[in-house]
Amino acid sequence: IAGITQAPTSQILAAGRRMTLRCTQDMRHNAMYWYRQDLGLGLRLIHYSNTAGTTGKGEVPDGYSVSRANTDDFPLTLASAVPSQTSVYFCASSGSPGGNTGELFFGEGSRLTVL
Amino acid sequence: GQNIDQPTEMTATEGAIVQINCTYQTSGFNGLFWYQQHAGEAPTFLSYNVLDGLEEKGRFSSFLSRSKGYSYLLLKELQMKDSASYLCAGMDSNYQLIWGAGTKLIIKP
Repeated sequence: IAGITQAPTSQILAAGRRMTLRCTQDMRHNAMYWYRQDLGLGLRLIHYSNTAGTTGKGEVPDGYSVSRANTDDFPLTLASAVPSQTSVYFCASSGSPGGNTGELFFGEGSRLTVL
Repeated sequence: GQNIDQPTEMTATEGAIVQINCTYQTSGFNGLFWYQQHAGEAPTFLSYNVLDGLEEKGRFSSFLSRSKGYSYLLLKELQMKDSASYLCAGMDSNYQLIWGAGTKLIIKP
């Protein structure tokens, strides 16, 4: 693993199903983030974690949950998927909270379609 | 409220110069970022400005005016590979990034 890895890269899901998007980084970054990206809108923060063991809500947290049991992993769970959660999801990490080292590192994205 | 505004789309010619503007309103300010995103790919970091003035990195430069809530990204000697979306993001007092919708830059030969 080099950098930040997301899985799956693409998924079609029936409404009402539970889904977990996985995110793993090997850079020992403290902070991790989940964003969704929709056409015509900027990246919107769903949840974040400043350090292992802590999480926080972003701009659009409803319908999503996260956990941060260790430094490397930051899974995002949709408990009961709805069509409005159709989006491209990006996981990102940075060396410190807020990415104030100047750089967020992004995974390649997970394209989720909820029917 | 917090807001980032940037043009939706711009077109430029290969070899030319293009300036992508961004205006921002954030609760507090801890810097302005520019990211590049090619279609179907992840965003990648281009620049970070926290003080007024111009930061130059090769063909790309970024400018910030805190008093005007304004930034621009300047791309020189445009190449076809520069066709991408350019995302402006302001960092607020909680160190959270507020993202613009992105400017799609189309480069024509």
